[in-house]
Amino acid sequence: AAGVIQSPRHLIKEKRETATLKCYPIPRHDTVYWYQQGPGQDPQFLISFYEKMQSDKGSIPDRFSAQQFSDYHSELNMSSLELGDSALYFCASSLTGPHVEDEQFFGPGTRLTVL
Amino acid sequence: AQRVTQPEKLLSVFKGAPVELKCNYSYSGSPELFWYVQYSRQRLQLLLRHISRESIKGFTADLNKGETSFHLKKPFAQEEDSAMYYCALSRGRLYFGRGTQLTVWP
Repeated sequence: AAGVIQSPRHLIKEKRETATLKCYPIPRHDTVYWYQQGPGQDPQFLISFYEKMQSDKGSIPDRFSAQQFSDYHSELNMSSLELGDSALYFCASSLTGPHVEDEQFFGPGTRLTVL
Repeated sequence: AQRVTQPEKLLSVFKGAPVELKCNYSYSGSPELFWYVQYSRQRLQLLLRHISRESIKGFTADLNKGETSFHLKKPFAQEEDSAMYYCALSRGRLYFGRGTQLTVWP
């Protein structure tokens, strides 16, 4: 069965550079979530999209932006990267909207290292 | 504010022993709670959710609103249960606990 795809799987950037992370949800899933997991930390919600509109926003820095496209894939754009942005970034998708009872299906994550 | 607490960062048991992974939550409304598991080098995946009240891979979890807990239990642990377990509360977005790394020794 198709799963959530994230690219790239690993990314190394210098401070002050920009990065773009991509997430391809499971076919027919219309909701995408982004989470950030720092070293030794629990995953923290960043932002979510439903039907190409932002549906919820968490602790996402102003340097980050995200969007969901017409094919439902999502991109997380990160600018002016800081050392503290080094983390594992998870994407998850769910079927039929951001309902509290819905299972979220996770991608493998993108490990971002900022040097 | 919503919060999920998993007090044990590491938990080790021997094969065949009972195991309980603790999860407490704070939320003023009616919670939707999940347990997610991450096996070595695999992605996070749903183990079970409280609304389905089912047993997956021998694991069960009962929501105790009085104690605001959703502990995960298995009567006889297996080596293949070794993994990272996350308790999560859903408000659309998930609020995760910090996770418990379970190791089952042979």
